[in-house]
Amino acid sequence: AQSVTQLGSHVSVSEGALVLLRCNYSSSVPPYLFWYVQYPNQGLQLLLKYTTGATLVKGINGFEAEFKKSETSFHLTKPSAHMSDAAEYFCAVRTPTSGTYKYIFGTGTRLKVLA
Amino acid sequence: GAGVSQSPRYKVAKRGQDVALRCDPISGHVSLFWYQQALGQGPEFLTYFQNEAQLDKSGLPSDRFFAERPEGSVSTLKIQRTQQEDSAVYLCASSLDTLNTEAFFGQGTRLTVV
Repeated sequence: AQSVTQLGSHVSVSEGALVLLRCNYSSSVPPYLFWYVQYPNQGLQLLLKYTTGATLVKGINGFEAEFKKSETSFHLTKPSAHMSDAAEYFCAVRTPTSGTYKYIFGTGTRLKVLA
Repeated sequence: GAGVSQSPRYKVAKRGQDVALRCDPISGHVSLFWYQQALGQGPEFLTYFQNEAQLDKSGLPSDRFFAERPEGSVSTLKIQRTQQEDSAVYLCASSLDTLNTEAFFGQGTRLTVV
């Protein structure tokens, strides 16, 4: 069975500082990995995804993530935080090759950006 | 519109009442998902459709929950005899096909059972 663990339910960074949000996954088959962002009272918006190929993926708003198979990780980073980055971030795993099509989400990390 | 549309945005139901939540996916999207998101939690999978076929309903919490997508487009999630623990945001998502494409989410329906 697949699962996702997000370490740190709340993360605070200063504006301009590095953002690092952690995600570890468990999967018996090669996973597809996603990061979504959710603003208050909104649905989820895709930031970036990894399916195959290059392990460093770039997304919208300056975010990127690196798939590390040996560490079963897919951490999200951004070099310089902006006030508008304050939101809830969800990591998700999907394994369609196993016949399971659902996305499995982590419990989320709420990012707070301090002025 | 171009995105996933859900209605109503907010629903207040008295305990024991039946409710129906509607999802209009992006036109042409094969896959449709329903998720339940409790306050402060991540989305929890409820059910998955590929066109009109419900291929996975393993996440439905009880037989009070029922979903359908009869013509392979619009979907309805029905909850019978609502209970307080059903209070949550219900999210619908659609994706173009069954492989590695992203899921696009609607804004959700916030259900409050009183």
